[in-house]
Amino acid sequence: DTGVSQDPRHKITKRGQNVTFRCDPISEHNRLYWYRQTLGQGPEFLTYFQNEAQLEKSRLLSDRFSAERPKGSFSTLEIQRTEQGDSAMYLCASSWNLGEQFFGPGTRLTVL
Amino acid sequence: AQSVTQLGSHVSVSEGALVLLRCNYSSSVPPYLFWYVQYPNQGLQLLLKYTSAATLVKGINGFEAEFKKSETSFHLTKPSAHMSDAAEYFCAVSGSEYSSASKIIFGSGTRLSIRP
Repeated sequence: DTGVSQDPRHKITKRGQNVTFRCDPISEHNRLYWYRQTLGQGPEFLTYFQNEAQLEKSRLLSDRFSAERPKGSFSTLEIQRTEQGDSAMYLCASSWNLGEQFFGPGTRLTVL
Repeated sequence: AQSVTQLGSHVSVSEGALVLLRCNYSSSVPPYLFWYVQYPNQGLQLLLKYTSAATLVKGINGFEAEFKKSETSFHLTKPSAHMSDAAEYFCAVSGSEYSSASKIIFGSGTRLSIRP
């Protein structure tokens, strides 16, 4: 077990472009979470999945954001028409039910 | 709604000195509380958690925290700071013994620096 992994670790894009991030959770974990962390702030909850079902979405998750977990394993987070305000660290975490959430190293997005 | 407030965005202590990072919570019922640590370019790591058992909680790396309902506080302490403790620390809340919750609500963080 290598823990939660995220890809890419860094992404630089131009405003208006689409980006997609991937998260691979710990293999036996059924829950997967996405958080966003801006500079100088704590992480903020975006959404979570139990298996393939997306059970909760934050109001922070605008229409330009979409997350999927098609087979209940890895998850993708897509941001369409990126804006400079989307620049942040995107963190993924996984857990077995309501157990401890284990966090990945994050994907740092910079929108120019 | 639940929330946490961390007092002091930056704390600096000398190596060997006491570490005290302050956190106050807001919740209508006694919540589950957590402290996480984030080292540069790494993910968040759970230091300790309070889930309505003992009010004094011991965590990893010599850290501990005490739940004080009367003060709505959950301050993090370590008797003797080590250079390797330099990191960002987050207080967080998630659910309670009355109601489970999935999402974690984090404070804004306190950056701990250690002076040689």
